[in-house]
This record gives sequence, structure tokens and C-alpha cells, in this order.
Amino acid sequence: DGGITQSPKYLFRKEGQNVTLSCEQNLNHDAMYWYRQDPGQGLRLIYYSQIVNDFQKGDIAEGYSVSREKKESFPLTVTSAQKNPTAFYLCASSTLEGSNQPQHFGDGTRLSIL
Amino acid sequence: DQQVKQNSPSLSVQEGRISILNCDYTNSMFDYFLWYKKYPAEGPTFLISISSIKDKNEDGRFTVFLNKSAKHLSLHIVPSQPGDSAVYFCAASDALRPGGKLIFGQGTELSVKP
Repeated sequence: DGGITQSPKYLFRKEGQNVTLSCEQNLNHDAMYWYRQDPGQGLRLIYYSQIVNDFQKGDIAEGYSVSREKKESFPLTVTSAQKNPTAFYLCASSTLEGSNQPQHFGDGTRLSIL
Repeated sequence: DQQVKQNSPSLSVQEGRISILNCDYTNSMFDYFLWYKKYPAEGPTFLISISSIKDKNEDGRFTVFLNKSAKHLSLHIVPSQPGDSAVYFCAASDALRPGGKLIFGQGTELSVKP
């Protein structure tokens, strides 16, 4: 079954702690994305990557970091510099072949502060 | 600035009737529009899309209409079913946004009552 796997489903962070959210896809997609969803709001782009070893900041990158060492994997680290990390985090991927390709999403990770 | 807006946070419809979800955008450069459906604690699922060269796209019970002059799109679901109850997000992108980045609206929660 092809898809996007996010883990863990729930994550708790202590003050001053960095945490890493995992995102793996077996769709052979070139592009991967991280979004954040807050209650009553749409999805906001944190980081995206179109190719291995390259990534770009999205609209709300402050306090986050990413890496893209493998095509299948795009982990997101929420650092202690992110002062309001409690949110639902969504990873997505898409092919860049052709035009107008939809993004496909994982089931998300809910991050809470202890 | 909110470039993609869904002004109705919620909508309630009787089973079997039509559901109409609306979305407005401000950026005239947007050329690709998508609708996603999201259940609680899950990732969004791609429903249907439309390119700016069209004004209508249909897929089964779902039809998306695009009015470029009014910068408005809508999703029609006919007939509505209880399983359609979810949050619906519209999203937009333009050819100038690298990596296929999407801008999402805030979402509309649809409730279909039996």
C-alpha cells in the first residue's frame, strides 16, 4: 500500500526540549511538505523540499528545522525556540511531474506541551 | 493577509439535499484550485481540483465551479450523505509558487443530518 506515514500520532514536549516528528512516504514523490494546523485555521506551510538535500522555508519556519537526506523521509524538528508548538502537524508529498499535481497527506502528529 | 477565505465556518444540510461550500481568493495569479476533506485526527484527503482554464469539473457527486472574474469557487455535493460530514478545505496555488506550494482556507465544517 502506497502512502505517507507520520509518527508518532501523539507527542508531548517538555519546556526547552527539541522533538522530532517523522514522515516517510513510499509514493516515490519528489516533493515533501510540512504544515501546521491550529484550531479554526487552515494549514500553514512550515518547510518544503523538492529534492534530496535541499529544502526551503515556508510561511512559518521560525523555531523549526528539517532535513532531507533520503527521498522517502522528511523529518521535522520542533526546537525550543518555537514558543507555541502545540498544534496538529501534517506532512504531505506530491509528484513534480506534469503540472497541477495534488498533495497527499499523512494522518498527522498532535504535539502538546507538558 | 488571508489570500484564500472560507467565510462560513460551518454548514448544516439534510441528507439527500445539495451542499454548497464556498471559497474566495484575492490573488489573481492563482491558477489551480483544490478541495480537501478532513475527518478529525486524520490528514486531509484530496477530493477534486480545477485548473483556471476551466470553469467546472465534475467527479461523481462532487462538482467544483470556478468564477475567475469574481475570484470565487464552490464545491457542490449532490446528494449529500451523512458520511460527507467533515471539514472541507479549499486551497490554491499559482505557477509562480515553486514546489507546488498551496495556500489553504480556514475550512468549513459540513454536517449532513439523516
